Amino acid sequence: DAMVIQNPRYQVTQFGKPVTLSCSQTLNHNVMYWYQQKSSQAPKLLFHYYDKDFNNEADTPDNFQSRRPNTSFCFLDIRSPGLGDAAMYLCATSWGQEYSGYTFGSGTRLTVV
Amino acid sequence: AQSVTQPDIHITVSEGASLELRCNYSYGATPYLFWYVQSPGQGLQLLLKYFSGDTLVQGIKGFEAEFKRSQSSFNLRKPSVHWSDAAEYFCAVGSSSNFGNEKLTFGTGTRLTIIP
Repeated sequence: DAMVIQNPRYQVTQFGKPVTLSCSQTLNHNVMYWYQQKSSQAPKLLFHYYDKDFNNEADTPDNFQSRRPNTSFCFLDIRSPGLGDAAMYLCATSWGQEYSGYTFGSGTRLTVV
Repeated sequence: AQSVTQPDIHITVSEGASLELRCNYSYGATPYLFWYVQSPGQGLQLLLKYFSGDTLVQGIKGFEAEFKRSQSSFNLRKPSVHWSDAAEYFCAVGSSSNFGNEKLTFGTGTRLTIIP
């Protein structure tokens, strides 16, 4: 089945130690998104790629970076994780049309110790 | 800028009872509206979406939603809930980003608890 896969499901990292979360898709969607979701809150968009074009949200901290080496893969890099970065990170994909909706992965739960 | 309001943070319903989750949106153009469900520790699953045509939209798992432009609402309903419906429900509105493609803005969610 076509899907969005996030690895790992659970990630524990040390305070200040760089960490990378990965997302892959078999849907061949144009757009890939990264959302941060803290406990009992709405998902918050960090950035997205339309093909190779990167779009950063204005309030996304510089500590968060992203790479999309090809259509299928997208990575979220946190350069120096702080305790406040502990959250669920959700990857989503879409065709990029306003009515298409997203397909989400199962998320990566990041813990910072 | 678009926004979504889900006024109910937490709703408790008896199994077999009917359900309505409220959603109000603010958007300057024709809205594209979605309902997603999230089980604990999982990603979001699309329940249904509206972008044109019939204002009553049918979705998966027996859910439906009705778009009411005059009230800027897109409420989710189910005639008879099952224990497996316990989850977090998010309403979202789609809009165009600077690249001309879709961005979804989510409401803060409604947590649904089902009691026997």
